[in-house]
Amino acid sequence: GENVEQHPSTLSVQEGDSAVIKCTYSDSASNYFPWYKQELGKRPQLIIDIRSNVGEKKDQRIAVTLNKTAKHFSLHITETQPEDSAVYFCAASNAGYSTLTFGKGTMLLVSP
Amino acid sequence: NAGVTQTPKFRVLKTGQSMTLLCAQDMNHEYMYWYRQDPGMGLRLIHYSVGEGTTAKGEVPDGYNVSRLKKQNFLLGLESAAPSQTSVYFCASSYTPIEGDTQYFGPGTRLTVL
Repeated sequence: GENVEQHPSTLSVQEGDSAVIKCTYSDSASNYFPWYKQELGKRPQLIIDIRSNVGEKKDQRIAVTLNKTAKHFSLHITETQPEDSAVYFCAASNAGYSTLTFGKGTMLLVSP
Repeated sequence: NAGVTQTPKFRVLKTGQSMTLLCAQDMNHEYMYWYRQDPGMGLRLIHYSVGEGTTAKGEVPDGYNVSRLKKQNFLLGLESAAPSQTSVYFCASSYTPIEGDTQYFGPGTRLTVL
């Protein structure tokens, strides 16, 4: 089955800096890669996703890049703010199988 | 439109007791999922369903059973609870032909087994 590795497990940045979280996956058939944000005590919520027919996708301060050859994808957050502090999860799926495999998460702390 | 809801929010069980967690969605989603979340382990899939009347095992199915008798509901059962099942349980649902396969999560159930 699919295996998703996520790094780093914790990331501390100063407000205004950029943050990058990286994930690798094992199943070359995976073609859907969402990122979820989970604030303390809350449910995971989708923040951005990318499909294998594109290499990069942006939404305001967040972007995701995908390298299918190397089987890795990354989340980029620019101009970080304290409210970006949360745990971020990457995931991978072969849409034909309808299930997601999640990474173990990255705790991002943005200090004012 | 309530989205995905879960009942109960919190529960404390003694070892060997049984309970059922209820997940409901009002988005007409075909697929529903049960995950458990433990510190440092991410979200691990327990069981899932791709339609009314269907269920399938996920990554960590042992000790759990599920049923999907109605499209909008997905039940997770623990027949004989063990301390190792102490966790936060999340339900999720996904898929309509228009929305695709984005998963939407419920608020979670915090379960403690003593």
